[in-house]
Amino acid sequence: AAGVIQSPRHLIKEKRETATLKCYPIPRHDTVYWYQQGPGQDPQFLISFYEKMQSDKGSIPDRFSAQQFSDYHSELNMSSLELGDSALYFCASSSTSGEYNEQFFGPGTRLTVL
Amino acid sequence: DQQVKQNSPSLSVQEGRISILNCDYTNSMFDYFLWYKKYPAEGPTFLISISSIKDKNEDGRFTVFLNKSAKHLSLHIVPSQPGDSAVYFCAASAGAGGTSYGKLTFGQGTILTVHP
Repeated sequence: AAGVIQSPRHLIKEKRETATLKCYPIPRHDTVYWYQQGPGQDPQFLISFYEKMQSDKGSIPDRFSAQQFSDYHSELNMSSLELGDSALYFCASSSTSGEYNEQFFGPGTRLTVL
Repeated sequence: DQQVKQNSPSLSVQEGRISILNCDYTNSMFDYFLWYKKYPAEGPTFLISISSIKDKNEDGRFTVFLNKSAKHLSLHIVPSQPGDSAVYFCAASAGAGGTSYGKLTFGQGTILTVHP
């Protein structure tokens, strides 16, 4: 079965640079979520999109922005990168046509800011 | 403010025995709970979930129990296998059931080690 695809899997950037992370949800899933997991921490919700509209927002810095495109893939744009942005970034998708909100996660993008 | 708590950072179990992972929550708005398994360098893998209208859900070797009055849930794995060794996250959401929202709030995770 198709799973959530994230690219790139690994990314190394310098401070103050920009990064773009991509997420391709499971086909026919209409909701995409982004989570950030710092070293030794639990995943923290950043932002979500339902049918290409932002549906919820968590602890996402103003330096970050995201959008969902017509093909339902999503991109997380991160500017003015800081050392503290080094983390695993997960994308998850779900379908509101299901009975419950089971979110399926991608493999993650490991971002390292030097 | 940790709304979902897994107070045991690690658990060690013998193969064939039962593994019990516990999770507590504080937000009474949570109405849907999930367990995820995570290996290093991989994304969380969905295991099993339970709605607040139920107190038990079973899927093969995995059973989740929910005690709403105590705001406590547990995951039972019987029998435990070495391949079950991973980090287990408890997660909760509010307003589930066909809605567009439903961000997950995760616990800190419990490292399960199953010895052969």
